[in-house]
Amino acid sequence: KAGVTQTPRYLIKTRGQQVTLSCSPISGHRSVSWYQQTPGQGLQFLFEYFSETQRNKGNFPGRFSGRQFSNSRSEMNVSTLELGDSALYLCASSPTSGTYNEQFFGPGTRLTVL
Amino acid sequence: TQLLEQSPQFLSIQEGENLTVYCNSSSVFSSLQWYRQEPGEGPVLLVTVVTGGEVKKLKRLTFQFGDARKDSSLHITAAQPGDTGLYLCAGAPNNFNKFYFGSGTKLNVKP
Repeated sequence: KAGVTQTPRYLIKTRGQQVTLSCSPISGHRSVSWYQQTPGQGLQFLFEYFSETQRNKGNFPGRFSGRQFSNSRSEMNVSTLELGDSALYLCASSPTSGTYNEQFFGPGTRLTVL
Repeated sequence: TQLLEQSPQFLSIQEGENLTVYCNSSSVFSSLQWYRQEPGEGPVLLVTVVTGGEVKKLKRLTFQFGDARKDSSLHITAAQPGDTGLYLCAGAPNNFNKFYFGSGTKLNVKP
């Protein structure tokens, strides 16, 4: 089974721009979660989508948004980029939305905002 | 303030030594997971513990979930250089995939 794939792997943007990141979950998985990882804050939960609906949301500003398509692929968008948005953005997929399910992470997208 | 506190933050040991990493919280979790992450890659799930007092063994790794489901520990016996990496604990307070991660423990095992 192919793992979680994320594209692009690396991205450089300037302040004020917007960016869209993509995540393809493991085949058959319906839940996709997004996390931001920085040296200072560690791994922080952004949001989770299950069957095209946002099920959970973290404490991030409205500039961070996402969506999920009928094939479970998910995209994350960040508008009006700030320097502090530089981070590794990780996507994780799970078979269903439930605590006892395993999360499988992709390799991440490294975003640098200049 | 992190919901989950991990200690120690850094650990540098010689091959063959034993070590324990702790993950503590004042909150109760429905489940707790441990991950290992290597540079440039996403975290890889090692184990999920769901029952208070549960102990799980994975070769040289032993994971324990506290009786009150507020804390957990990871013990590695006879560490090897291949164990080097960032170890993360993550807890879910309810039955959804919203996990809170600890700040991580960077382990370096020297040959």
